[in-house]
Amino acid sequence: GQQVMQIPQYQHVQEGEDFTTYCNSSTTLSNIQWYKQRPGGHPVFLIQLVKSGEVKKQKRLTFQFGEAKKNSSLHITATQTTDVGTYFCAGSGGYQKVTFGTGTKLQVIP
Amino acid sequence: DGGITQSPKYLFRKEGQNVTLSCEQNLNHDAMYWYRQDPGQGLRLIYYSQIVNDFQKGDIAEGYSVSREKKESFPLTVTSAQKNPTAFYLCASSLPGQFNYGYTFGSGTRLTVV
Repeated sequence: GQQVMQIPQYQHVQEGEDFTTYCNSSTTLSNIQWYKQRPGGHPVFLIQLVKSGEVKKQKRLTFQFGEAKKNSSLHITATQTTDVGTYFCAGSGGYQKVTFGTGTKLQVIP
Repeated sequence: DGGITQSPKYLFRKEGQNVTLSCEQNLNHDAMYWYRQDPGQGLRLIYYSQIVNDFQKGDIAEGYSVSREKKESFPLTVTSAQKNPTAFYLCASSLPGQFNYGYTFGSGTRLTVV
């Protein structure tokens, strides 16, 4: 079945440093979604990418969908303590349920 | 405000007991899902339903059961057959198929077996 892996599993950064998490699928995706889960909370939808090579920005967050639609990345510029949490990607191979990635846990050191 | 309500927030169960976790949504979403999350782990799909009176097994359905008698409700029963039920359970909903613009999650139920 479809598998979605994320790297790294954990990342500690100094506040103000940049952060990137990568998402790789074993199969071609029709779309990719990104979620953020704060400690003790539930996942919250951030964004969806659909087109090959698509890049979207939300303030300090930049999301990219690979040309082959098998990988994606989330980049945070100048991290803040409010960015702490686990970031999940979730991919769908068609108009079906999504498969969640393994997640990247971000810790920001003040 | 529209959203998903999960109850209870915390649940303690004795070994050998069945327990039912509630999930209600007022978003008018057709699709609903149950996920299990273990500490420091990702989300694993237990069951999902695309329409009322229909549901499918996810990746880890053994020891769980669901029903979808109403569009708004998708309760999950954790049976005594589930060998390691202690976990964080998340319910989610979405529009179906190509109209899925992201899942909305409830705040979760933390189940502990004592």
